[in-house]
Amino acid sequence: DSGVTQTPKHLITATGQRVTLRCSPRSGDLSVYWYQQSLDQGLQFLIQYYNGEERAKGNILERFSAQQFPDLHSELNLSSLELGDSALYFCASSVASSGSNEQFFGPGTRLTVL
Amino acid sequence: GENVEQHPSTLSVQEGDSAVIKCTYSDSASNYFPWYKQELGKRPQLIIDIRSNVGEKKDQRIAVTLNKTAKHFSLHITETQPEDSAVYFCAASAGGYQKVTFGTGTKLQVIP
Repeated sequence: DSGVTQTPKHLITATGQRVTLRCSPRSGDLSVYWYQQSLDQGLQFLIQYYNGEERAKGNILERFSAQQFPDLHSELNLSSLELGDSALYFCASSVASSGSNEQFFGPGTRLTVL
Repeated sequence: GENVEQHPSTLSVQEGDSAVIKCTYSDSASNYFPWYKQELGKRPQLIIDIRSNVGEKKDQRIAVTLNKTAKHFSLHITETQPEDSAVYFCAASAGGYQKVTFGTGTKLQVIP
């Protein structure tokens, strides 16, 4: 157990819908990262937050948005869902904002868009 | 931005043999190179990392080497065991506010 929690574990929804994925980082970690992992694919970096502020942005679609709240939990919002958005979404946390720190991954949320 | 290439995409070895996974990176400013292991259906977990001021690092049966001049780094697993079967990801980061860029992964199968 990494100490990072994600809810829900599974999410099944229809095209065009909107969903929210939630992540709670390890105690003491200020950075939260979001990744998308499609079937048999690598980890695609979406976005990073550090202590409530956006720090780095990857190939995140305009239909996707995220935020980090004062209690440091983070939410990833996915809207106008398409079939291709079906994937495993991981959240990771680290103690600092630098990319040179170990990232601890949560168990992931498996999103299925029908 | 940074680009990380990883080879091979799949690797099968007999139990007890060694396995080598190679990665190249494009950004000469990258100075942190972690390796993550992802077992089937589970989360990625850090198994070893190396920083640019070090050429080699070992942890029991796992070692990582770094060649900054050639911009490539490798993961070596010796005396492989069935529990080593997993997908391994290399990654690179320039630190600071730079993100970590992951390779595409290598699926390692250790045959008993």
